[in-house]
Amino acid sequence: DAGVIQSPRHEVTEMGQEVTLRCKPISGHNSLFWYRQTMMRGLELLIYFNNNVPIDDSGMPEDRFSAKMPNASFSTLKIQPSEPRDSAVYFCASREAQSTEAFFGQGTRLTVV
Amino acid sequence: RKEVEQDPGPFNVPEGATVAFNCTYSNSASQSFFWYRQDCRKEPKLLMSVYSSGNEDGRFTAQLNRASQYISLLIRDSKLSDSATYLCVVRTTNTGNQFYFGTGTSLTVIP
Repeated sequence: DAGVIQSPRHEVTEMGQEVTLRCKPISGHNSLFWYRQTMMRGLELLIYFNNNVPIDDSGMPEDRFSAKMPNASFSTLKIQPSEPRDSAVYFCASREAQSTEAFFGQGTRLTVV
Repeated sequence: RKEVEQDPGPFNVPEGATVAFNCTYSNSASQSFFWYRQDCRKEPKLLMSVYSSGNEDGRFTAQLNRASQYISLLIRDSKLSDSATYLCVVRTTNTGNQFYFGTGTSLTVIP
């Protein structure tokens, strides 16, 4: 199994631009999580999907952030417009229904200048 | 209040030392507990689950105290390869079955 696949691995963009981060969960996993990690705040849960349905998006910082999961094998996290304070590593993780372990992708390192 | 709180460290210990990390969680309804390990510039990976009776995996021992809402990880005979950040993780089903991560405790094992 290829594991959770995220793209791009690195993204550098200018303030105000739209950024789209992509995630392919492990096949058969029905839960998907988006996290943001910074030195100051650690790993923060942004949004959580179960069977492609958003369950809790209370961690999404503001309206500039949106996430979708159109099918079981793909999810996106979009930031529009991006700001320098959005710079962080964004992780996607997935978990199968009967398991307690979440598997993480390698992350997208976002830098907004 | 954060769901999970950890001492960020850093902990710098010599090879062979024993080191312990602690973590507290705020939601008494939390049901599952884990320690994840994250190497520099890598993704977090599951180190071990934490069971109510405590559990051991080689040099690693995890303990849970539900009354105090406290989780610990003990590493014996530290190796250089143990250098990483250790994340305390709590799964809470009454708030949507989410995983909450602590900010991590940094460990460096020194030769």
